[in-house]
Amino acid sequence: DQQVKQNSPSLSVQEGRISILNCDYTNSMFDYFLWYKKYPAEGPTFLISISSIKDKNEDGRFTVFLNKSAKHLSLHIVPSQPGDSAVYFCAASAGAQKLVFGQGTRLTINP
Amino acid sequence: GAGVSQSPSNKVTEKGKDVELRCDPISGHTALYWYRQSLGQGLEFLIYFQGNSAPDKSGLPSDRFSAERTGGSVSTLTIQRTQQEDSAVYLCASSPPGPLNNEQFFGPGTRLTVL
Repeated sequence: DQQVKQNSPSLSVQEGRISILNCDYTNSMFDYFLWYKKYPAEGPTFLISISSIKDKNEDGRFTVFLNKSAKHLSLHIVPSQPGDSAVYFCAASAGAQKLVFGQGTRLTINP
Repeated sequence: GAGVSQSPSNKVTEKGKDVELRCDPISGHTALYWYRQSLGQGLEFLIYFQGNSAPDKSGLPSDRFSAERTGGSVSTLTIQRTQQEDSAVYLCASSPPGPLNNEQFFGPGTRLTVL
């Protein structure tokens, strides 16, 4: 039972363009959502988060949008840079701090 | 400052052997988590320690898996009688005290290979 789903295993975007990574969830009790970035042979690093009381959070080139009615969130990266190439994980929690992760999306930024 | 550290970075073992994986969380972090990532999969929650409370073991896949956290700091994940399906990257994370400390800081992981 996959409560957090990232349906695109990979995404390729041209440098300078916008990258949009999507995530869907099924558990309506989730109230906090996070995006993590992972390089090979390293642990995931926190990127940006959003509480369920908001619908948008922005931090520099990164913006996360939350649509609670659709149980959908997305991460926008603009402009995309080569260093953004990594695997991106969406995660969610319901009160307790245990995180439920999606399967990840491998983003490749092409020069 | 020092991040979360894990040892060993790689472990190759034979089916049926026991293994111990170690995690040193960030100093002052009260919460500690273990996850694993199997090939092509997302991160799967295993166990969660918060201060002196009883750990949340709801993610442990079988009774061959156990974990301890001594002195509220270092944690050891033990897998007994390893099986090939235990092969994965085992990740430890810690988070600071506070009401909204969902941001978890991850270590580099231990890659476990069971032959």
